[in-house]
Amino acid sequence: NAGVTQTPKFQVLKTGQSMTLQCAQDMNHEYMSWYRQDPGMGLRLIHYSVGAGITDQGEVPNGYNVSRSTTEDFPLRLLSAAPSQTSVYFCASSPGHGSNQPQHFGDGTRLSIL
Amino acid sequence: KQEVTQIPAALSVPEGENLVLNCSFTDSAIYNLQWFRQDPGKGLTSLLLIQSSQREQTSGRLNASLDKSSGRSTLYIAASQPGDSATYLCAVFGGGSTLGRLYFGRGTQLTVWP
Repeated sequence: NAGVTQTPKFQVLKTGQSMTLQCAQDMNHEYMSWYRQDPGMGLRLIHYSVGAGITDQGEVPNGYNVSRSTTEDFPLRLLSAAPSQTSVYFCASSPGHGSNQPQHFGDGTRLSIL
Repeated sequence: KQEVTQIPAALSVPEGENLVLNCSFTDSAIYNLQWFRQDPGKGLTSLLLIQSSQREQTSGRLNASLDKSSGRSTLYIAASQPGDSATYLCAVFGGGSTLGRLYFGRGTQLTVWP
Protein backbone atom coordinates (compact mmCIF):
# COMPACT_ATOMS: atom_id res chain seq x y z
CA ASN A 1 0.00 0.00 0.00
CA ALA A 2 1.80 3.12 -1.24
CA GLY A 3 -0.59 5.73 0.21
CA VAL A 4 0.72 9.26 -0.43
CA THR A 5 4.08 9.42 -2.17
CA GLN A 6 6.17 12.58 -2.29
CA THR A 7 9.25 13.11 -4.43
CA PRO A 8 11.96 14.17 -4.01
CA LYS A 9 12.65 13.65 -0.31
CA PHE A 10 15.40 16.29 -0.25
CA GLN A 11 16.25 19.17 -2.58
CA VAL A 12 18.64 22.12 -2.58
CA LEU A 13 17.95 25.01 -4.93
CA LYS A 14 19.50 28.34 -5.71
CA THR A 15 17.48 31.52 -5.43
CA GLY A 16 15.50 32.09 -8.61
CA GLN A 17 15.42 28.48 -9.74
CA SER A 18 12.12 26.75 -10.36
CA MET A 19 11.07 23.24 -9.48
CA THR A 20 8.08 20.98 -9.01
CA LEU A 21 7.38 18.92 -5.92
CA GLN A 22 5.51 15.78 -6.82
CA CYS A 23 2.65 14.21 -4.88
CA ALA A 24 0.76 11.09 -5.87
CA GLN A 25 -1.84 9.00 -4.07
CA ASP A 26 -3.26 5.62 -5.01
CA MET A 27 -6.37 5.65 -2.80
CA ASN A 28 -8.69 7.40 -5.27
CA HIS A 29 -9.01 10.32 -2.86
CA GLU A 30 -10.79 13.42 -4.11
CA TYR A 31 -9.26 15.88 -1.65
CA MET A 32 -5.55 16.72 -1.76
CA SER A 33 -3.58 19.49 -0.15
CA TRP A 34 -0.11 20.94 0.36
CA TYR A 35 1.33 22.26 3.62
CA ARG A 36 4.59 23.76 4.68
CA GLN A 37 6.03 23.19 8.14
CA ASP A 38 8.38 25.74 9.64
CA PRO A 39 9.92 25.78 13.14
CA GLY A 40 7.65 27.58 15.56
CA MET A 41 4.92 28.06 12.94
CA GLY A 42 3.26 24.67 12.72
CA LEU A 43 1.79 23.42 9.45
CA ARG A 44 0.22 25.99 7.14
CA LEU A 45 -1.99 25.25 4.17
CA ILE A 46 -0.61 26.38 0.80
CA HIS A 47 -3.14 25.10 -1.75
CA TYR A 48 -5.79 22.44 -1.85
CA SER A 49 -7.97 20.63 -4.36
CA VAL A 50 -11.41 19.08 -3.88
CA GLY A 51 -11.20 17.11 -7.14
CA ALA A 52 -9.62 16.94 -10.57
CA GLY A 53 -9.67 20.33 -12.26
CA ILE A 54 -10.49 22.24 -9.05
CA THR A 55 -7.93 24.03 -6.88
CA ASP A 56 -8.09 26.78 -4.27
CA GLN A 57 -5.73 28.85 -2.19
CA GLY A 58 -4.91 28.19 1.44
CA GLU A 59 -3.26 30.44 4.02
CA VAL A 60 0.12 30.97 2.31
CA PRO A 61 -0.30 30.57 -1.48
CA ASN A 62 2.07 33.29 -2.71
CA GLY A 63 5.01 31.97 -4.73
CA TYR A 64 3.39 28.59 -5.39
CA ASN A 65 1.24 27.20 -8.20
CA VAL A 66 -0.75 23.98 -8.35
CA SER A 67 -2.81 22.07 -10.86
CA ARG A 68 -4.92 18.92 -10.63
CA SER A 69 -5.28 17.25 -14.00
CA THR A 70 -5.84 13.77 -12.55
CA THR A 71 -7.28 12.42 -9.30
CA GLU A 72 -3.96 10.79 -8.43
CA ASP A 73 -1.50 13.67 -8.82
CA PHE A 74 -1.22 17.10 -7.24
CA PRO A 75 2.13 18.76 -8.06
CA LEU A 76 3.32 21.93 -6.34
CA ARG A 77 5.39 24.36 -8.42
CA LEU A 78 7.82 26.96 -7.16
CA LEU A 79 8.18 29.45 -10.00
CA SER A 80 11.17 31.42 -8.67
CA ALA A 81 12.55 30.00 -5.44
CA ALA A 82 13.29 32.36 -2.55
CA PRO A 83 15.15 31.65 0.73
CA SER A 84 11.85 32.23 2.59
CA GLN A 85 10.54 29.08 0.91
CA THR A 86 13.06 26.91 2.73
CA SER A 87 10.81 24.52 4.60
CA VAL A 88 9.49 20.99 4.86
CA TYR A 89 6.59 20.41 2.51
CA PHE A 90 3.86 17.86 3.14
CA CYS A 91 1.17 16.58 0.83
CA ALA A 92 -2.02 15.06 2.22
CA SER A 93 -5.16 13.41 0.87
CA SER A 94 -8.56 12.24 2.08
CA PRO A 95 -11.66 10.78 0.41
CA GLY A 96 -13.41 14.15 0.23
CA HIS A 97 -13.27 17.62 1.76
CA GLY A 98 -16.61 16.98 3.40
CA SER A 99 -15.78 13.48 4.55
CA ASN A 100 -15.09 12.48 8.11
CA GLN A 101 -12.12 10.41 7.12
CA PRO A 102 -8.65 11.28 8.42
CA GLN A 103 -6.03 12.94 6.30
CA HIS A 104 -3.22 10.74 4.98
CA PHE A 105 0.17 12.45 4.83
CA GLY A 106 3.27 11.80 2.77
CA ASP A 107 6.73 11.69 4.35
CA GLY A 108 7.58 15.21 3.24
CA THR A 109 10.05 17.00 0.99
CA ARG A 110 12.85 18.90 2.74
CA LEU A 111 13.66 21.92 0.60
CA SER A 112 16.56 24.33 1.08
CA ILE A 113 16.90 27.52 -0.95
CA LEU A 114 20.37 29.08 -0.98
CA LYS B 1 -9.48 33.30 10.78
CA GLN B 2 -9.30 30.06 12.67
CA GLU B 3 -6.57 29.95 15.32
CA VAL B 4 -5.55 26.68 16.98
CA THR B 5 -3.52 26.69 20.18
CA GLN B 6 -1.92 23.74 21.95
CA ILE B 7 -0.82 23.68 25.56
CA PRO B 8 1.72 22.75 26.79
CA ALA B 9 4.32 23.23 24.06
CA ALA B 10 6.50 20.55 25.64
CA LEU B 11 6.02 17.88 28.26
CA SER B 12 8.49 15.46 29.86
CA VAL B 13 7.18 12.68 32.10
CA PRO B 14 8.27 9.31 33.52
CA GLU B 15 6.90 6.15 32.06
CA GLY B 16 3.49 5.06 33.37
CA GLU B 17 1.97 8.50 33.89
CA ASN B 18 -1.43 9.46 32.53
CA LEU B 19 -1.26 12.59 30.38
CA VAL B 20 -3.58 15.29 29.11
CA LEU B 21 -2.75 17.40 26.06
CA ASN B 22 -4.89 20.44 25.39
CA CYS B 23 -6.08 22.05 22.18
CA SER B 24 -8.27 25.13 21.73
CA PHE B 25 -9.70 26.76 18.63
CA THR B 26 -11.33 30.13 18.05
CA ASP B 27 -14.08 29.35 15.50
CA SER B 28 -16.56 26.69 16.57
CA ALA B 29 -17.84 26.20 12.99
CA ILE B 30 -15.72 23.12 12.43
CA TYR B 31 -16.39 19.93 10.48
CA ASN B 32 -14.14 17.71 12.57
CA LEU B 33 -11.08 17.75 14.79
CA GLN B 34 -8.11 15.46 14.29
CA TRP B 35 -5.16 14.50 16.46
CA PHE B 36 -1.92 13.51 14.75
CA ARG B 37 1.43 12.15 15.85
CA GLN B 38 4.67 13.23 14.22
CA ASP B 39 7.98 11.50 14.82
CA PRO B 40 11.22 13.42 14.11
CA GLY B 41 11.92 13.71 10.40
CA LYS B 42 8.68 11.93 9.51
CA GLY B 43 5.25 12.73 8.23
CA LEU B 44 2.04 12.88 10.25
CA THR B 45 0.09 9.86 11.39
CA SER B 46 -3.60 10.23 12.19
CA LEU B 47 -4.49 9.09 15.72
CA LEU B 48 -8.10 10.07 16.23
CA LEU B 49 -10.79 12.00 14.39
CA ILE B 50 -13.81 13.44 16.18
CA GLN B 51 -16.73 14.58 14.10
CA SER B 52 -18.34 17.88 15.09
CA SER B 53 -21.42 16.03 16.35
CA GLN B 54 -19.40 13.70 18.59
CA ARG B 55 -18.07 14.22 22.11
CA GLU B 56 -15.20 11.75 22.18
CA GLN B 57 -13.30 9.01 20.42
CA THR B 58 -11.14 6.23 21.83
CA SER B 59 -8.36 4.12 20.37
CA GLY B 60 -6.43 1.86 22.71
CA ARG B 61 -4.75 4.00 25.36
CA LEU B 62 -5.83 7.22 23.64
CA ASN B 63 -9.02 9.12 24.29
CA ALA B 64 -9.90 12.43 22.67
CA SER B 65 -12.77 14.66 23.70
CA LEU B 66 -14.38 17.59 21.94
CA ASP B 67 -16.38 20.49 23.36
CA LYS B 68 -17.24 22.42 20.22
CA SER B 69 -19.18 25.17 21.97
CA SER B 70 -16.21 26.13 24.13
CA GLY B 71 -13.65 25.48 21.38
CA ARG B 72 -11.68 22.85 23.27
CA SER B 73 -10.34 19.35 22.81
CA THR B 74 -8.18 17.17 25.00
CA LEU B 75 -6.09 14.13 24.18
CA TYR B 76 -5.73 11.74 27.09
CA ILE B 77 -2.89 9.21 27.02
CA ALA B 78 -3.13 6.46 29.60
CA ALA B 79 -0.11 4.65 31.05
CA SER B 80 2.42 6.47 28.90
CA GLN B 81 5.36 4.56 27.39
CA PRO B 82 8.72 5.68 25.95
CA GLY B 83 7.38 4.77 22.50
CA ASP B 84 4.78 7.53 22.91
CA SER B 85 7.54 10.13 22.65
CA ALA B 86 6.71 12.32 19.65
CA THR B 87 5.07 15.60 18.74
CA TYR B 88 1.29 15.59 18.95
CA LEU B 89 -0.61 17.92 16.65
CA CYS B 90 -4.21 19.03 16.84
CA ALA B 91 -5.99 20.17 13.67
CA VAL B 92 -9.50 21.41 12.94
CA PHE B 93 -11.17 20.88 9.59
CA GLY B 94 -13.04 24.06 8.83
CA GLY B 95 -16.74 24.23 8.18
CA GLY B 96 -18.85 27.03 6.81
CA SER B 97 -16.77 29.60 4.91
CA THR B 98 -13.56 27.68 5.68
CA LEU B 99 -14.79 24.29 4.44
CA GLY B 100 -11.92 22.36 2.94
CA ARG B 101 -9.20 23.92 5.08
CA LEU B 102 -7.31 22.16 7.85
CA TYR B 103 -5.85 24.40 10.55
CA PHE B 104 -3.04 23.10 12.76
CA GLY B 105 -1.78 23.96 16.20
CA ARG B 106 1.96 24.14 16.78
CA GLY B 107 2.05 20.87 18.64
CA THR B 108 3.02 19.44 22.01
CA GLN B 109 6.43 17.77 22.10
CA LEU B 110 6.15 14.79 24.44
CA THR B 111 9.07 12.93 25.99
CA VAL B 112 8.40 9.82 28.08
CA TRP B 113 11.47 8.57 29.88
CA PRO B 114 11.96 5.06 31.30
